Amino acid sequence: QVQLVQSGAELKKPGASVKVSCKASGYTFTSYHIHWLRQAPGQGLEWLGTIFRSAGNTKNAQKFQGRLTMTRDTATSTVYMDLSSLTSEDTAVYFCARETPSSYCFDYWGLGTLVTVSS
Amino acid sequence: QSALTQPASVSGSPGQSIIISCTGTSSDVGGNNHVSWYQQHPGKAPKLTIYEVRNRPSGVPDRFSASKSANTASLTISGLQAEDEADYYCASYTTSNTFVFGTGTKVTVL
Repeated sequence: QVQLVQSGAELKKPGASVKVSCKASGYTFTSYHIHWLRQAPGQGLEWLGTIFRSAGNTKNAQKFQGRLTMTRDTATSTVYMDLSSLTSEDTAVYFCARETPSSYCFDYWGLGTLVTVSS
Repeated sequence: QSALTQPASVSGSPGQSIIISCTGTSSDVGGNNHVSWYQQHPGKAPKLTIYEVRNRPSGVPDRFSASKSANTASLTISGLQAEDEADYYCASYTTSNTFVFGTGTKVTVL
């Protein structure tokens, strides 16, 4: 069965960076896009960016340009999200989610990783 | 990109029908048919409920239906059940090749 297993919770200080991983299983890793989304406490969902299935190229939301990096390791079917220059406003649960190409929706989700930014 | 507009809350009694609206612009909801809906129970990951405006993934009950007119998409839950109590989010692909979510709607079953 399809699974997206994310890394554990993180506590970071303002100005630091965080790297969250998402290990995929149960399907052909390079046949699907992976997206990163987040949800601040008590707030709605926000799309951060995509790493595309074929070449591993990426597309970020404008808001995160310059401080969001998404990479992948096809050998381990793992995608990584690196967010730098953290502020308290980055405190959120970060989700990875799969997209079937050209479906424009997120059909499987990871359970989420809580990132807390606090001094 | 501004969030799509949803009502903050909608409620209904068991068996009733409710409708959740999702209003965007011609750059997102009105610009394509790539509108999806997600159900999220407290502390859980969102679950895909509707894709491409009106299609239900396998396993989603047929009491969930959806449509779109111009810049507004709608999700209807017919025959409301206790387990439908959750937060619901719409999402749309945009003309900038990004995604935008709705503000979210809390559904309460009275």
